[in-house]
Amino acid sequence: DGGITQSPKYLFRKEGQNVTLSCEQNLNHDAMYWYRQDPGQGLRLIYYSQIVNDFQKGDIAEGYSVSREKKESFPLTVTSAQKNPTAFYLCASSIEVGGGLDEQFFGPGTRLTVL
Amino acid sequence: GQQVMQIPQYQHVQEGEDFTTYCNSSTTLSNIQWYKQRPGGHPVFLIQLVKSGEVKKQKRLTFQFGEAKKNSSLHITATQTTDVGTYFCAGPRGNKLVFGAGTILRVKS
Repeated sequence: DGGITQSPKYLFRKEGQNVTLSCEQNLNHDAMYWYRQDPGQGLRLIYYSQIVNDFQKGDIAEGYSVSREKKESFPLTVTSAQKNPTAFYLCASSIEVGGGLDEQFFGPGTRLTVL
Repeated sequence: GQQVMQIPQYQHVQEGEDFTTYCNSSTTLSNIQWYKQRPGGHPVFLIQLVKSGEVKKQKRLTFQFGEAKKNSSLHITATQTTDVGTYFCAGPRGNKLVFGAGTILRVKS
């Protein structure tokens, strides 16, 4: 059963702690993305990766870091430098990064709450 | 930079009424995609439009891409409670997609 998995679904952390969100896909997609969603707003791109061992900053990369050591995995770390980390985080993948010509498949998301 | 604007932000309709959401870009788009996100869920791809003036239908949903490829619309005929959710348009910017803020649809039965 192919798809994208994100864990955990809900995550609570204390202010000042780093936290890593998991994203795994078995669709054999080259491109992976991380978005942040806040109430009443669209999806804002944090980071994306076109290929293993390479990634690019999106529109709101400050306070976040990623790695892409395997094709299937694209974990996102929310660092203590992120001023307002409470949000819904969505991971997505597409066959390849081609100027937005490919549909994106989304994971179920992780809702992060920083106390 | 390129922006994708969506209106209205929110619409509450009676079941059976029609619904339309509009998407406008500040620049010409090579294509536009539409996604639906159910409450508590994640966005799911609906359709992609590529050609100027293109119209595509999926059952009660009709998607249009403007002649100038700077605007698009999604029209739902005779809404049902299963249509509730947020509808997003998205256009490419380089190697990325830029999403509109979405239109939240609520359907009262």
